[in-house]
Amino acid sequence: SQQGEEDPQALSIQEGENATMNCSYKTSINNLQWYRQNSGRGLVHLILIRSNEREKHSGRLRVTLDTSKKSSSLLITASRAADTASYFCATDAGGGANNLFFGTGTRLTVIP
Amino acid sequence: DAGVIQSPRHEVTEMGQEVTLRCKPISGHNSLFWYRQTMMRGLELLIYFNNNVPIDDSGMPEDRFSAKMPNASFSTLKIQPSEPRDSAVYFCASSSLMGGRGSNQPQHFGDGTRLSIL
Repeated sequence: SQQGEEDPQALSIQEGENATMNCSYKTSINNLQWYRQNSGRGLVHLILIRSNEREKHSGRLRVTLDTSKKSSSLLITASRAADTASYFCATDAGGGANNLFFGTGTRLTVIP
Repeated sequence: DAGVIQSPRHEVTEMGQEVTLRCKPISGHNSLFWYRQTMMRGLELLIYFNNNVPIDDSGMPEDRFSAKMPNASFSTLKIQPSEPRDSAVYFCASSSLMGGRGSNQPQHFGDGTRLSIL
């Protein structure tokens, strides 16, 4: 299966701290995306990083991609209570298909 | 702009009943995806359409599940007959095919239908 796996499964930090979540996947990709899901809501796209990129920033988010290790990380700096959510990585199916494979998610809790 | 709209938000029904979930994608999007989310199995892709045509339905659990997209602005996922193990949150998502196949534009999700089969 191409499905990614996030690590850790759950993470609890104090407001103001940084949160790092990792994603590993199994086969070659064109790009990798990160999504966020608040309780009872749908997933929301955060950032996309292409296979020829190593790092990408968006506001307080920093994503890295290491295609040699088939892994990615999502760093949220200066976390806020509102960042409490589940975070998923998603990889493309390859071969021109446009569906995604979602990982198992990291549940982040930011304590005020 | 309106996002992806799903209905109903919640559905509780008895085993054996037919269930129909509805989705209105974002206007202009030409890919539509149906997912199922459970604690045990995570987020599973059931089926997706490009330009109203089903491309991959390998995730549909069994013949009790069917999906249609009669036009660019509407899709249904039907379960008949429903079983307790079908209880889950069902999400619809849409995206653009801009950039061609494989470019993987971001997917926009609805807020899901929470389905409970008693």
